[in-house]
Amino acid sequence: DAKTTQPTSMDCAEGRAANLPCNHSTISGNEYVYWYRQIHSQGPQYIIHGLKNNETNEMASLIITEDRKSSTLILPHATLRDTAVYYCIVRLLYALNFGKGTSLLVTP
Amino acid sequence: DTGVSQDPRHKITKRGQNVTFRCDPISEHNRLYWYRQTLGQGPEFLTYFQNEAQLEKSRLLSDRFSAERPKGSFSTLEIQRTEQGDSAMYLCASSLAAEATNEKLFFGSGTQLSVL
Repeated sequence: DAKTTQPTSMDCAEGRAANLPCNHSTISGNEYVYWYRQIHSQGPQYIIHGLKNNETNEMASLIITEDRKSSTLILPHATLRDTAVYYCIVRLLYALNFGKGTSLLVTP
Repeated sequence: DTGVSQDPRHKITKRGQNVTFRCDPISEHNRLYWYRQTLGQGPEFLTYFQNEAQLEKSRLLSDRFSAERPKGSFSTLEIQRTEQGDSAMYLCASSLAAEATNEKLFFGSGTQLSVL
């Protein structure tokens, strides 16, 4: 699976959009981009995934660049409960290879 | 849908003892995964099952680790002769997989193992 690069940490004010970047410059044509998050003391939670097109669901939006070498997860109106570690994963086979993710802190 | 259930939530054991963890996946999910997570790191894949078949086990950390899913429902992860380095969170996940690359995993809350 392709390797991903994410910032170690980010801050966001409550109510504002949180934009979490991910670089996956070695992604291959049939690898999906997945985002999971992990709130302290819980298991990871699926957020969204995509292949080429931008995707949106009730939790977030995923913007994938045309060359697919990077993506951005957008939480449109961050709340305190969105404070978590966010993992960007590029997956081809059976295993999700989590990196260290981005620790997002949403502040009042 | 009650989610993925793991038991126990916490386990404290002495070095050299054997431990077994149980995972009950979401009903009708055919795939079941085990991951390990140490402090400050993301989860690390260990093994997975499709129904009762264990399709990948090469990433189990040593021959002290074994997993079963005898009837394609719940699964157990056993660690024999535990070592202090085995202290970690052990996570289970399940999915209803049609395609490997378009699959959502649902994780349990994990079993926190402490080896003294």
